[in-house]
Amino acid sequence: DGGITQSPKYLFRKEGQNVTLSCEQNLNHDAMYWYRQDPGQGLRLIYYSQIVNDFQKGDIAEGYSVSREKKESFPLTVTSAQKNPTAFYLCASRLSGGKTHDTQYFGPGTRLTVL
Amino acid sequence: KQEVTQIPAALSVPEGENLVLNCSFTDSAIYNLQWFRQDPGKGLTSLLLIQSSQREQTSGRLNASLDKSSGRSTLYIAASQPGDSATYLCAVRPMNRDDKIIFGKGTRLHILP
Repeated sequence: DGGITQSPKYLFRKEGQNVTLSCEQNLNHDAMYWYRQDPGQGLRLIYYSQIVNDFQKGDIAEGYSVSREKKESFPLTVTSAQKNPTAFYLCASRLSGGKTHDTQYFGPGTRLTVL
Repeated sequence: KQEVTQIPAALSVPEGENLVLNCSFTDSAIYNLQWFRQDPGKGLTSLLLIQSSQREQTSGRLNASLDKSSGRSTLYIAASQPGDSATYLCAVRPMNRDDKIIFGKGTRLHILP
């Protein structure tokens, strides 16, 4: 099956710890994105990558880091510098970052809770 | 700065009724507008994508319209069913160099059996 997978589904973190959320796609998409969703809120862009070995900050990048070493993978690290990390994290991909007419496909999400 | 607003934030209607969800955006310079569905605790599923040159798109019982000049879009759901209960999000892709889309906060829809 083609699609986007995120793991784990639920993640618990102690204050001061870094955690990494996994996002993998087998759609052969060039562009990948990380969003954060808080209750009753829309999605806010954390980081995005249009090609391998390149990525850009979104609107709320502080306290987060990413890497894009492989086309299929775009892991997100939530660092201890992120003061309020409890949220629902969504990964998405798109066929081509340069085109304007195609849609983003979303993974099932990871719910991160800070204890 | 592009902003996307969805009204109402929540809506409950009896099964079988037709309904309209609203989306407005502040800057008409967009490539496209998209409607997504999100079930509780799940990811987003694309429902309809309307290019800036188009006026509407249809898929089954869903019809989305776009009036770019007035900064508005509507999602029409015909003959609503309990399975339509979900949050519906509207998103626009602004005409700038950034590869971003801007989301509204969504309308939480509950269809009463």
